Amino acid sequence: EAGVVQSPRYKIIEKKQPVAFWCNPISGHNTLYWYRQNLGQGPELLIRYENEEAVDDSQLPKDRFSAERLKGVDSTLKIQPAELGDSAVYLCASSPGGRLAGAETQYFGPGTRLLVL
Amino acid sequence: QKEVEQNSGPLSVPEGAIASLNCTYSDRGSQSFFWYRQYSGKSPELIMFIYSNGDKEDGRFTAQLNKASQYVSLLIRDSQPSDSATYLCAVNNGNYQLIWGAGTKLIIKP
Repeated sequence: EAGVVQSPRYKIIEKKQPVAFWCNPISGHNTLYWYRQNLGQGPELLIRYENEEAVDDSQLPKDRFSAERLKGVDSTLKIQPAELGDSAVYLCASSPGGRLAGAETQYFGPGTRLLVL
Repeated sequence: QKEVEQNSGPLSVPEGAIASLNCTYSDRGSQSFFWYRQYSGKSPELIMFIYSNGDKEDGRFTAQLNKASQYVSLLIRDSQPSDSATYLCAVNNGNYQLIWGAGTKLIIKP
């Protein structure tokens, strides 16, 4: 079974430029998460989707960040314009959802390492 | 503010010894608890999860949960240099959201 796929793996941009990240979750996983992780810290949730609905975006900086999950499968996270402080690793994760034990277990993609100059 | 606390380390353990990693959480209503391993430059990978008080074993790994004291531990037996990584504790707040600790860096010395 394929894992969570993310692209690109690395991105270097200048500040004020736009950038987009793409994620394809594990097949059949209804819940998709976008996280940001800075060095030495745990993942910080940006947005959580249940199918195509964003059910928790309280930590998403909406002035510059946007996300979508069309058709409830793959998802795109965008930053426009990027700032120096956005340099981080952006992780996508998915979980099966439902009521069985382990339904909330999250499986991560390889991440996108963003450097804003 | 719901919190998950971990000692940042580094925790240095001789090869072959038992490594003990600890995590405390603030939300008494938390239902499930997760341990992830993260190698430098890689994404977190699931080691195991635990729901019930007591111990859960998987190979060289044992998770221990004490809900009354609000802590969860991970024991690694017969530690190997390949176990050197950052270990992240995560706690489910009951709504498919995990609250993450900052991780403990573990170093296994040959």
